[in-house]
Amino acid sequence: NAGVTQTPKFQVLKTGQSMTLQCAQDMNHEYMSWYRQDPGMGLRLIHYSVGAGITDQGEVPNGYNVSRSTTEDFPLRLLSAAPSQTSVYFCASSQDETQETQYFGPGTRLLVL
Amino acid sequence: DQQVKQNSPSLSVQEGRISILNCDYTNSMFDYFLWYKKYPAEGPTFLISISSIKDKNEDGRFTVFLNKSAKHLSLHIVPSQPGDSAVYFCAASDYNYGQNFVFGPGTRLSVLP
Repeated sequence: NAGVTQTPKFQVLKTGQSMTLQCAQDMNHEYMSWYRQDPGMGLRLIHYSVGAGITDQGEVPNGYNVSRSTTEDFPLRLLSAAPSQTSVYFCASSQDETQETQYFGPGTRLLVL
Repeated sequence: DQQVKQNSPSLSVQEGRISILNCDYTNSMFDYFLWYKKYPAEGPTFLISISSIKDKNEDGRFTVFLNKSAKHLSLHIVPSQPGDSAVYFCAASDYNYGQNFVFGPGTRLSVLP
């Protein structure tokens, strides 16, 4: 099993550009989440999904869209990148809501100029 | 205002000694707590959890203590090993809030040989 994979590992964008951060898991997990990590702060939840076709907002959803058309994939879209979105993004999946079984991807480092 | 605080950004201990990482929270509704460990360029990995019905949970070298009246939890690592050098995140959740955990900013532990 590959676990949770994220692409790309690193990306530089200009302000106003759009892009999609990819996330895939091969563990048949229903729950998937996107977090961002900024210096001096903990991980903050952006969006999450409890199953295919179902998504909901987390703590910091503005500027991001998600969709969950399959169990495996949970892409995060930046519609119009802003310097405030410079961060490290982590995707995670879990088999139940207690999150003891939550697995994180290696992260995508995004720099918006 | 951060609901989960880890007031020590870094901690250094000698190999073989005890490491104590602290976490404080402000929301009295939090009733489930996790500790994650993160190595550079990797995603966080689950370490140990505790629910509010317990005041201690142990897993090998790792023990988490919960003091609900003080809204404080701590992670003890005994004995500390160089491989324990990582960033440790505390996370808390209100069961009624589902899988939306609030993370602390992390403490970087360095175990010196």
